[in-house]
Amino acid sequence: SQTIHQWPATLVQPVGSPLSLECTVEGTSNPNLYWYRQAAGRGLQLLFYSVGIGQISSEVPQNLSASRPQDRQFILSSKKLLLSDSGFYLCAGDKGVSSGNTEAFFGQGTRLTVV
Amino acid sequence: DQQVKQNSPSLSVQEGRISILNCDYTNSMFDYFLWYKKYPAEGPTFLISISSIKDKNEDGRFTVFLNKSAKHLSLHIVPSQPGDSAVYFCAASGSQGAQKLVFGQGTRLTINP
Repeated sequence: SQTIHQWPATLVQPVGSPLSLECTVEGTSNPNLYWYRQAAGRGLQLLFYSVGIGQISSEVPQNLSASRPQDRQFILSSKKLLLSDSGFYLCAGDKGVSSGNTEAFFGQGTRLTVV
Repeated sequence: DQQVKQNSPSLSVQEGRISILNCDYTNSMFDYFLWYKKYPAEGPTFLISISSIKDKNEDGRFTVFLNKSAKHLSLHIVPSQPGDSAVYFCAASGSQGAQKLVFGQGTRLTINP
């Protein structure tokens, strides 16, 4: 079965510092990969979406960026964190509806607090 | 542009009764719909899904209903149990194009004993 490893589980960073969150996928190849953020009191907001190596779609304008250097690696980055970047970040993957497997699988999430 | 909407941020239901969670979507290209359950500080877990070729899918205590003409789906949990207390997310995907998964805002369900 597919598994996503996401780390760290919690992170406290000062305003203006850089960010790098990494997730890796096991158990499948060529997945679609996603970064979501859940801000306090809000739902899951899609930040980035990737269908393959080097292919990134940004869903919302922000000071975050994403990269997919390998098929099973997805990285969320920022050069300078803002207070508004605080939230719960989730890495997710799926094989796409056309594969017949419609379930998305998720990492355990990273709680980021920018202070 | 919120393509998947869950207009009730919270819902309280008595244990043993039916919980009904609602979801509306605007994109007519969506043809696959899923429900996820999420506990605090954890990733969502898959509950149940439905394809647009069906109007109902049942799995144990969970049933999802799809009304394509109204672009509306609902999740029924019966009977509701205390362990069902969590945030429930509706999600949608299309079989054509990017196939990306889009989530609603979530509904916090509380089951009262």
